[in-house]
Amino acid sequence: GAVVSQHPSRVICKSGTSVKIECRSLDFQATTMFWYRQFPKQSLMLMATSNEGSKATYEQGVEKDKFLINHASLTLSTLTVTSAHPEDSSFYICSAPLPQGETQYFGPGTRLLVL
Amino acid sequence: TQLLEQSPQFLSIQEGENLTVYCNSSSVFSSLQWYRQEPGEGPVLLVTVVTGGEVKKLKRLTFQFGDARKDSSLHITAAQTGDTGLYLCAGADTGFQKLVFGTGTRLLVSP
Repeated sequence: GAVVSQHPSRVICKSGTSVKIECRSLDFQATTMFWYRQFPKQSLMLMATSNEGSKATYEQGVEKDKFLINHASLTLSTLTVTSAHPEDSSFYICSAPLPQGETQYFGPGTRLLVL
Repeated sequence: TQLLEQSPQFLSIQEGENLTVYCNSSSVFSSLQWYRQEPGEGPVLLVTVVTGGEVKKLKRLTFQFGDARKDSSLHITAAQTGDTGLYLCAGADTGFQKLVFGTGTRLLVSP
């Protein structure tokens, strides 16, 4: 079946550094991917929509200059957390819908800890 | 802003009991999906409901979409310890793509 992978699965970084998270659709092409953030014991909050070949669309309250999204190919989207701070520590999850749109597959998530 | 409220937030039951989780909104959705998430993992799709009043069954799980497509419920019969997890409903506007997630229900089933 369709699989979405994320790399790395967990990362620890120092405050002020940048961290890149990759999201790949392994056996299907995804012109759109979604990035979510999930804080402990909370639900998923949509951060942005990643669009292949065009700029990402950010949800209200999400800083586009801080969370850089690049949809480099039909199977890869990257989220870069720039100048990370401890409050950016969270579980970041991506998803990709199948081309026909009805089913969406989620990655396993990336746990970011900023010290 | 579309909001999906789930109730209860947390449920702790014994194996063999039945339970129902509710997902309510003031907004209409073109479809509604239910996911289960294990700690440290991404959500896994359980079901998608599209038609108002639709009922879908997945083994011991029964899902219902409200007639007005604003609410949904998940009923689990004879819960098992393997049902433990975070249950999330998610509504989609069009094309099943952009999702608004519910507040979540954390289920703990004890032996």
